[in-house]
Amino acid sequence: QVQLQVSGPGLVKPLETLSLTCTVSGGSISSYYWTWIRQPPGKGLEWIGYIYYTGSTNYSPSLKSRITMSLDTSKNQISLKLSSVMAADTAVYYCARTYSDSSGYPRGWFDPWGQGTLVTVSS
Amino acid sequence: SYELTQPPSVSVSPGQTARITCSGDALPKKYAYWYQQKSGQAPVLVIYEDSKRPSGIPERFSGSSSGTMATLTISGAQVEDEADYYCYSTDNNGNHPNWVFGGGTKLAVL
Repeated sequence: QVQLQVSGPGLVKPLETLSLTCTVSGGSISSYYWTWIRQPPGKGLEWIGYIYYTGSTNYSPSLKSRITMSLDTSKNQISLKLSSVMAADTAVYYCARTYSDSSGYPRGWFDPWGQGTLVTVSS
Repeated sequence: SYELTQPPSVSVSPGQTARITCSGDALPKKYAYWYQQKSGQAPVLVIYEDSKRPSGIPERFSGSSSGTMATLTISGAQVEDEADYYCYSTDNNGNHPNWVFGGGTKLAVL
């Protein structure tokens, strides 16, 4: 059974870079998309972007200038970096395995999800 | 930027039918997905590709899509169905599709 574990600092200072890692156990990162999603406290879900196991990426237009996603296949890990953070970036951050269709495009099917980690941006 | 619009809240009595709508310009050509999120938990997929139900999801959950609106229907809603529901879909930008969640609908069953 595939499980995802999100790890990283729970507190980041304004203007610094938020770095999170999603570690996949019980399966390989190959053949899947991996999506990052966040949820500010008390608010709705926001799609951040995804990375394919080949390394190709697609980011939310509103965050594109500040996001970097990468893979470490040897460690079965997916990483998210968000630069120049501000209070509005305070959220629970999730990673999720994402299924693709027969043409290799991502579907909106996320399973499983990581447990989510709260990152607070504050000085 | 692309948007999906949901009503903020829907309220039904136990056993009644709850309908949650999701409006988006690209929905005539793009699938809608529906997620249920209970308090403090990660979301769970309840409907994929407009109307398909993943294994393990009760039959009372169904989905449909017509024109620019997708609808999640819970027939005979139960107290345990109280949750936030989010639709999820993409726009028609072929090279760099923009995926978005709707704003979410809080379902009250009381």
